[in-house]
Amino acid sequence: EAQVTQNPRYLITVTGKKLTVTCSQNMNHEYMSWYRQDPGLGLRQIYYSMNVEATDKGDVPEGYKVSRKEKRNFPLILESPSPNQTSLYFCASSKRTSGEQETQYFGPGTRLLVL
Amino acid sequence: AQSVAQPEDQVNVAEGNPLTVKCTYSVSGNPYLFWYVQYPNRGLQFLLKYITGDNLVKGSYGFEAEFNKSQTSFHLKKPSALVSDSALYFCAVRDPLFSGGYNKLIFGAGTRLAVHP
Repeated sequence: EAQVTQNPRYLITVTGKKLTVTCSQNMNHEYMSWYRQDPGLGLRQIYYSMNVEATDKGDVPEGYKVSRKEKRNFPLILESPSPNQTSLYFCASSKRTSGEQETQYFGPGTRLLVL
Repeated sequence: AQSVAQPEDQVNVAEGNPLTVKCTYSVSGNPYLFWYVQYPNRGLQFLLKYITGDNLVKGSYGFEAEFNKSQTSFHLKKPSALVSDSALYFCAVRDPLFSGGYNKLIFGAGTRLAVHP
């Protein structure tokens, strides 16, 4: 089954304790992206990756890091989490084409609480 | 700046009645528009998209959306609502500033649809 998976689905942590949220897709997609969802704000892009070893900042990158060492994986790293990073996080992927818009597929989400 | 507006935080509809969830956009160039749905404790699921062509786009679960260029709108519709349609709906537009496979979506704040029996 074609899908985007994220782990963990739920996470409670404390301020300053490094954490990683994993994202993996099995569709051989080049483009991957992380969003955070906050009430009243919709989804905002944190980081994206056009392909292996090619990452760049989105709209709200502060406090986050990513890596893209393999095509299928795109982990989100919070080196020193703070309470304002409490949110619902989504990973997404799509093909990379120069023509018609490709549909973006989303993972199930990771709900993070930083105390 | 590119933006998407969903003017209603919540829409309430009786089961069997038609529903409309509104979306307006502001974007330079040709808009690529999307609707996604989020069921409780689930990820975002793609419903439909408008790229070009027919202004009425049909999607999953009986939903459709009408693209109106003059009103810069892309409202989501369904002729007969089901209780199971109750969910959070997001309108999105692709950021047209980049090309070559860059696929950033700009989302509206979301509209919660509540369908009552």
